[in-house]
Amino acid sequence: KAGVTQTPRYLIKTRGQQVTLSCSPISGHRSVSWYQQTPGQGLQFLFEYFSETQRNKGNFPGRFSGRQFSNSRSEMNVSTLELGDSALYLCASSSSSFATNEKLFFGSGTQLSVL
Amino acid sequence: DQQVKQNSPSLSVQEGRISILNCDYTNSMFDYFLWYKKYPAEGPTFLISISSIKDKNEDGRFTVFLNKSAKHLSLHIVPSQPGDSAVYFCAASVWGTDKLIFGTGTRLQVFP
Repeated sequence: KAGVTQTPRYLIKTRGQQVTLSCSPISGHRSVSWYQQTPGQGLQFLFEYFSETQRNKGNFPGRFSGRQFSNSRSEMNVSTLELGDSALYLCASSSSSFATNEKLFFGSGTQLSVL
Repeated sequence: DQQVKQNSPSLSVQEGRISILNCDYTNSMFDYFLWYKKYPAEGPTFLISISSIKDKNEDGRFTVFLNKSAKHLSLHIVPSQPGDSAVYFCAASVWGTDKLIFGTGTRLQVFP
């Protein structure tokens, strides 16, 4: 069974640009969560989608948005990029409606660098 | 507001000895706690969990201890092996919600 797939693995953008990251969950998983990892801040929760509906949102500005498609694939968009947005963005999927148990599987992440 | 804190950014332990990783939390509503391990260039993988109705959970070389009154949990790895070298994240949640709050991570290095 294929794991969580995130594309692209690496991305370099300049300030002011926008970016879209993609996540394909494990087949059959309906919940997709997004996290931002930066040195010293750990993994910060961005948002969680279940059956195309955003059910939870973290404390990030409106420049960060996401969506989930009917096939459970999810995209995350960041507009008007800032230098501080440079981070590893991780996607995680879960088979249950509760993403807070151990059945949370992470992808390898997209490393975003903003210059 | 960091609700889950890992105050030691790094830990170095000799192979065969015990590794103890600590985690503190501030939200008394948290009732489910997990540890994840992360290798470079890979996503975190689940290691072990504990619910607030327990104070200890064991899985092979890994044991998690929960002290609810102190709002503290710890992960013990014994004996430590070089393959355990990774970043360990503590995470917490309120059961029934869909949000996992992670700590800042502790980098464990196990040397021969």
